[in-house]
Amino acid sequence: GQNIDQPTEMTATEGAIVQINCTYQTSGFNGLFWYQQHAGEAPTFLSYNVLDGLEEKGRFSSFLSRSKGYSYLLLKELQMKDSASYLCAVQGNNRKLIWGLGTSLAVNP
Amino acid sequence: DVKVTQSSRYLVKRTGEKVFLECVQDMDHENMFWYRQDPGLGLRLIYFSYDVKMKEKGDIPEGYSVSREKKERFSLILESASTNQTSMYLCASSLKGGGFPNYGYTFGSGTRLTVV
Repeated sequence: GQNIDQPTEMTATEGAIVQINCTYQTSGFNGLFWYQQHAGEAPTFLSYNVLDGLEEKGRFSSFLSRSKGYSYLLLKELQMKDSASYLCAVQGNNRKLIWGLGTSLAVNP
Repeated sequence: DVKVTQSSRYLVKRTGEKVFLECVQDMDHENMFWYRQDPGLGLRLIYFSYDVKMKEKGDIPEGYSVSREKKERFSLILESASTNQTSMYLCASSLKGGGFPNYGYTFGSGTRLTVV
């Protein structure tokens, strides 16, 4: 079957670095996405990886290893506004994304 | 700069009512999706459409139907609303084949539906 696993909850301190992991098993692979979702709001696009390696975008970076079925999202210089849920999603062989349940990140002062 | 618009942000309906949730996108996307999101259950796909007048069942289609008469509009219909359909409903759209770069889905702002 198809499956995406990510931790349910994480806690970090303002100014620190946090890494959110995602492992996947899917039929086919055409890219991995990270979305951010604040409470009560819709998910918004953060990053996309289709090739192995690290993609950096400001304070956020995303890494992919296709052979290991593994990705992580790295958030640096954490801010209070980074408190949100982070969703990992994989595009398999069709146009539907397969979603993880999300990781709820709490950033404490 | 609104790209995916859902008709209502909050909605309260009575049990047994027929409910229409509307979604309109202005990005000329071929693919459109309806999800519901509940705590601990994540995003669950209700229905999706890859083209006008085309629809396919997702993972939890029971109690729902959809309509796509125009490319930009995808409507979700609750035939007879029940309390277990109280949820956040999210509409999303995406380009036809993905490709690279692929920016996945664009979501609407969501409709929080309460059935009483």
